[in-house]
Amino acid sequence: TQLLEQSPQFLSIQEGENLTVYCNSSSVFSSLQWYRQEPGEGPVLLVTVVTGGEVKKLKRLTFQFGDARKDSSLHITAAQPGDTGLYLCAGAGAAGNKLTFGGGTRVLVKP
Amino acid sequence: AAGVIQSPRHLIKEKRETATLKCYPIPRHDTVYWYQQGPGQDPQFLISFYEKMQSDKGSIPDRFSAQQFSDYHSELNMSSLELGDSALYFCASSVRRGNQPQHFGDGTRLSIL
Repeated sequence: TQLLEQSPQFLSIQEGENLTVYCNSSSVFSSLQWYRQEPGEGPVLLVTVVTGGEVKKLKRLTFQFGDARKDSSLHITAAQPGDTGLYLCAGAGAAGNKLTFGGGTRVLVKP
Repeated sequence: AAGVIQSPRHLIKEKRETATLKCYPIPRHDTVYWYQQGPGQDPQFLISFYEKMQSDKGSIPDRFSAQQFSDYHSELNMSSLELGDSALYFCASSVRRGNQPQHFGDGTRLSIL
């Protein structure tokens, strides 16, 4: 069974500060997705990382996949209140496989 | 761009009733997944289909069944509903090859009274 663990579970920061969310596992994943989920809605895909060591940027969000493809991080620079939400990491053991989720990190950015 | 469409968005049933949830994947996506998400929990994988054949099975109760039709839409059939079945049910779709990501619908909120 593949397990993913996200940390921290909850993060509260002031507008303009930076934050990092971590997603760790002892298993290797063929790909790892980051989603953002609003209450009562489906997870919305932010990014997919596939190659070990890969770094992807989405405006103020930077995603990194570990060299061994076992862990990932999400870094938000100069956070804004609009970044408030639930961030989920999810890994797939192989192409087309089910996703294993990491527990989520609830981010609160205070103005 | 077209997204995954789920219906209904909300469904209220009583114990021991049946329910059918529908999912229309993104056009040209060949794989459909069903997940169940309880309050404050991660989505949990139920079952998936690739090219209309069941490809993987997770923690899906025997009271539930699912299928994928020739037009690639999928239905999750739930019988003998229990209070514990109250949850958000998500469908996701993807292209199987090349580590393509799963895209989720907005879900069906099922409430059992």
